[in-house]
Amino acid sequence: ETGVTQTPRHLVMGMTNKKSLKCEQHLGHNAMYWYKQSAKKPLELMFVYNFKEQTENNSVPSRFSPECPNSSHLFLHLHTLQPEDSALYLCASSQDVGSYYEQYFGPGTRLTVT
Amino acid sequence: GQNIDQPTEMTATEGAIVQINCTYQTSGFNGLFWYQQHAGEAPTFLSYNVLDGLEEKGRFSSFLSRSKGYSYLLLKELQMKDSASYLCAVVDSNYQLIWGAGTKLIIKP
Repeated sequence: ETGVTQTPRHLVMGMTNKKSLKCEQHLGHNAMYWYKQSAKKPLELMFVYNFKEQTENNSVPSRFSPECPNSSHLFLHLHTLQPEDSALYLCASSQDVGSYYEQYFGPGTRLTVT
Repeated sequence: GQNIDQPTEMTATEGAIVQINCTYQTSGFNGLFWYQQHAGEAPTFLSYNVLDGLEEKGRFSSFLSRSKGYSYLLLKELQMKDSASYLCAVVDSNYQLIWGAGTKLIIKP
């Protein structure tokens, strides 16, 4: 079983819809991350949680709302998205935040906003 | 600003050797990662360098020169399964990961 799971794997939503992405890690890690990956662009860090507390919010629009109820689960709530938000959304976890902790990624949710 | 440069795409032949370069300009340096990402899959960790020099791990090696702001990933005895994107990422002074756009490696028989 993969260490980090994400659901759904694919999502198509209209600009007026509300949906949520779910991430779960089975590795006992303390830190979790949301990334946006667009074609031919660097990974964009959106949010970081360490011990359930949000430590980073890299100027992400408010139409993206994260939730971290415990160290194993992370959600990304979506509402009134724009077509440019279409991308692959990756969740990752690491033992802790810090320079040498490798991150383990989930398979991602391919989001299409119509 | 912070910047990571990698070639967009490279092509190599099965059984050969390929070197993927990464140059960086960041506010501080606390290590450099290489990740592999097959199409439609999650990135997976390959290597971490924080000191200058070469780290060898099987067919893959990673080199770092902090004074030159430069790293490379060396892949030997290329196999078809090595066709993937290779992502370079630098940890800056705030312990944030700064990612490159990735290098798509195409292996031909």
